[in-house]
Amino acid sequence: GEDVEQSLFLSVREGDSSVINCTYTDSSSTYLYWYKQEPGAGLQLLTYIFSNMDMKQDQRLTVLLNKKDKHLSLRIADTQTGDSAIYFCAESISNTGKLIFGQGTTLQVKP
Amino acid sequence: GAVVSQHPSRVICKSGTSVKIECRSLDFQATTMFWYRQFPKQSLMLMATSNEGSKATYEQGVEKDKFLINHASLTLSTLTVASAHPEDSSFYICSAPGLENTEAFFGQGTRLTVV
Repeated sequence: GEDVEQSLFLSVREGDSSVINCTYTDSSSTYLYWYKQEPGAGLQLLTYIFSNMDMKQDQRLTVLLNKKDKHLSLRIADTQTGDSAIYFCAESISNTGKLIFGQGTTLQVKP
Repeated sequence: GAVVSQHPSRVICKSGTSVKIECRSLDFQATTMFWYRQFPKQSLMLMATSNEGSKATYEQGVEKDKFLINHASLTLSTLTVASAHPEDSSFYICSAPGLENTEAFFGQGTRLTVV
């Protein structure tokens, strides 16, 4: 079945870049997403990328997609303490609107 | 973007009582609503898919008699946790797909604590 894998934890210093990685299995996924969840809060959509794109940049966020390897990454430039949160990648299931989420990567930003 | 409003945001109830969670699409019609559950320190897992005017479809392992889903209109889907028990304590969140399923619009989530 479909599966999405992420590393569980990443610690960086304020001002450094953060790179969060994700692998997925469903090659028919049309869109891949990055969500941010702060403690006790809901999900905030950060960005998404269409499967025929290799890269998407949005201010401090850069998403890279390697469709051949089914690998997705999120780079946060100039990471701030306010970026500390759990980051989930998710893939859409055959354009149904259903999402399969990874386990989430906890990003810790040290001052 | 489109807005999905979910209420309540937090609820604490006694074991054995039922809890209703509502998700409303505010500026669009949602023929489909997905319901997810997130246990502490875990990812979000799809529980069920509700479709307006028809029965919900449940993922494997989700008890349809415990998690009652109603999608009576194009703007409202409800999830009722029947006879809740402490093990049902979780974060429940709904989402509606956008146009051509390009995006998922999430509600704010409901943190349910059963004592």
